[in-house]
Amino acid sequence: DTGVSQNPRHKITKRGQNVTFRCDPISEHNRLYWYRQTLGQGPEFLTYFQNEAQLEKSRLLSDRFSAERPKGSFSTLEIQRTEQGDSAMYLCASSRAGTYEKLFFGSGTQLSVL
Amino acid sequence: AQRVTQPEKLLSVFKGAPVELKCNYSYSGSPELFWYVQYSRQRLQLLLRHISRESIKGFTADLNKGETSFHLKKPFAQEEDSAMYYCALSPTQGGSEKLVFGKGTKLTVNP
Repeated sequence: DTGVSQNPRHKITKRGQNVTFRCDPISEHNRLYWYRQTLGQGPEFLTYFQNEAQLEKSRLLSDRFSAERPKGSFSTLEIQRTEQGDSAMYLCASSRAGTYEKLFFGSGTQLSVL
Repeated sequence: AQRVTQPEKLLSVFKGAPVELKCNYSYSGSPELFWYVQYSRQRLQLLLRHISRESIKGFTADLNKGETSFHLKKPFAQEEDSAMYYCALSPTQGGSEKLVFGKGTKLTVNP
């Protein structure tokens, strides 16, 4: 499968713990996005990278959230001191840089904070 | 602020009937609009985008700037069209750096 890959598929953690998710985009895509989706809602934009540069961050992304894409390939999203409100599906997507390029989404990481 | 509204959470039609999924947006500039679809146990994927003026799987969508709408239509629904549909807006001209999604409409096509 040469699509966007996300690991793990599911993560259960206790409140206050740190968690890290990984996203491997389609290899020739230089844009990478993180979205969060809660039950009954559409995906909400968190942040995006063009190559290794993080170009935009949503106000939804509190100081407890940090995303990296160190070599312009895979990306990690870390949540520190998790809260129950962080429980959600975290989606990664990638695209080529260009006009009206479509986003290719991964299957997501489902986070449950107990 | 950019906002996308999909007024119907659920929509149920019979096979062969016309279907229209409503989408209204709020944006002060000239938006780029998309429909994404998620079939059961599959990833979210692009169905169509306004700029391409395309028809995918028999679906079309027309941008009405006066009514700020981008409704998705299909004249004859098929059972395989059953899925979750999301309307999305890109507030950045020239790219989809930050898509703003609606809450989605779950379409069920009954046999």
